[in-house]
Amino acid sequence: EPEVTQTPSHQVTQMGQEVILRCVPISNHLYFYWYRQILGQKVEFLVSFYNNEISEKSEIFDDQFSVERPDGSNFTLKIRSTKLEDSAMYFCASSPSVIYGYTFGSGTRLTVV
Amino acid sequence: AQKVTQAQTEISVVEKEDVTLDCVYETRDTTYYLFWYKQPPSGELVFLIRRNSFDEQNEISGRYSWNFQKSTSSFNFTITASQVVDSAVYFCALSEAYSGGGADGLTFGKGTHLIIQP
Repeated sequence: EPEVTQTPSHQVTQMGQEVILRCVPISNHLYFYWYRQILGQKVEFLVSFYNNEISEKSEIFDDQFSVERPDGSNFTLKIRSTKLEDSAMYFCASSPSVIYGYTFGSGTRLTVV
Repeated sequence: AQKVTQAQTEISVVEKEDVTLDCVYETRDTTYYLFWYKQPPSGELVFLIRRNSFDEQNEISGRYSWNFQKSTSSFNFTITASQVVDSAVYFCALSEAYSGGGADGLTFGKGTHLIIQP
């Protein structure tokens, strides 16, 4: 069964550093998403991406965040200057259409120290 | 704005008991999708079910069943004859659809931590 692949599974970074989280969505999917889950809390929507541009973003997704699809397979989330409160599990998801639902990756646990 | 409420923060039952997880949602749209996801201790999000707003038929999959009632804006999830492996956090989520097949991001509830004791 096709999977969404996220790397790395765990990343530790120093406050103020830039971090890039990587995702390989399922190949024939058109819609891509990033979500965040702070430890013990609910999963929160960050951004959706379609046709090489952001289609929707939440209030969390401020100027520190950016997304990119640099080639035909990767989908990345960049945090420019990490803060302690950015520590969370970050999930990538992809979908061919909402009718078919979303497939989530296994997540990247980001720890900012 | 859309909202999903899972009022039960934690439920603990003994193995083989039936358990129902509640989910109440709010949306202004007439076309939307409801989901349940399971998050085991390992942390990944496991898809369980998707239901669109035009399909109010209840669904059964093995020991799992779902009761969708538009009149009360609820989409409850029942596990019959629970097992220890069912222990996890369960999230209900809502997505509003738009033309072209895309959708807003999922709005998740806060989750219900289900503990099945042997």
